[in-house]
Amino acid sequence: GAVVSQHPSWVICKSGTSVKIECRSLDFQATTMFWYRQFPKQSLMLMATSNEGSKATYEQGVEKDKFLINHASLTLSTLTVTSAHPEDSSFYICSARGGQDSYEQYFGPGTRLTVT
Amino acid sequence: KNQVEQSPQSLIILEGKNCTLQCNYTVSPFSNLRWYKQDTGRGPVSLTIMTFSENTKSNGRYTATLDADTKQSSLHITASQLSDSASYICVVGRQTGANNLFFGTGTRLTVIP
Repeated sequence: GAVVSQHPSWVICKSGTSVKIECRSLDFQATTMFWYRQFPKQSLMLMATSNEGSKATYEQGVEKDKFLINHASLTLSTLTVTSAHPEDSSFYICSARGGQDSYEQYFGPGTRLTVT
Repeated sequence: KNQVEQSPQSLIILEGKNCTLQCNYTVSPFSNLRWYKQDTGRGPVSLTIMTFSENTKSNGRYTATLDADTKQSSLHITASQLSDSASYICVVGRQTGANNLFFGTGTRLTVIP
């Protein structure tokens, strides 16, 4: 159990366009979902934390108007990269946590975004 | 400052050999420590998670240790296989906050035949 999926697994878009990435918890209800970004040979960097039904909390330095996060249900969170630029090219990973007492975060397989 | 440091940065070993990866942390107040395996282009997969009271935990050929006094952890891999080639990330959780996970930069392990 505890499977998290992401869609798409990879996407190429043109500079200036917007891209939406979905994160789903397949077999549990995720009260909290997290979005990370990972550049080559670097570790994961937390971008934002989202709780179902409320606004996301963004980490310092992450533009909330550029990275729109929606957590409309207990099994789905979306990250929309608006007006994408080549420097937004990265590996985006979501994770989900179910239940306030749960330590565990389950990570999705990641989405490779390339902006040309 | 809450930090997680891993060593070595990279490691190459022969198939069948054992290896040990290290993790030192300064995260406080400590909640838990996890080891993840991340294949290239994939999301991290949990190997072990330990809380303050646990000093060792195994998952197949992976054995993690935790010394909460010295704030050190290790991940020992026995009888390595080619499929063990991946990055191994140490992640330390802090007690407070919605998400207080601090990530190490990982150790890149390459197992060669």
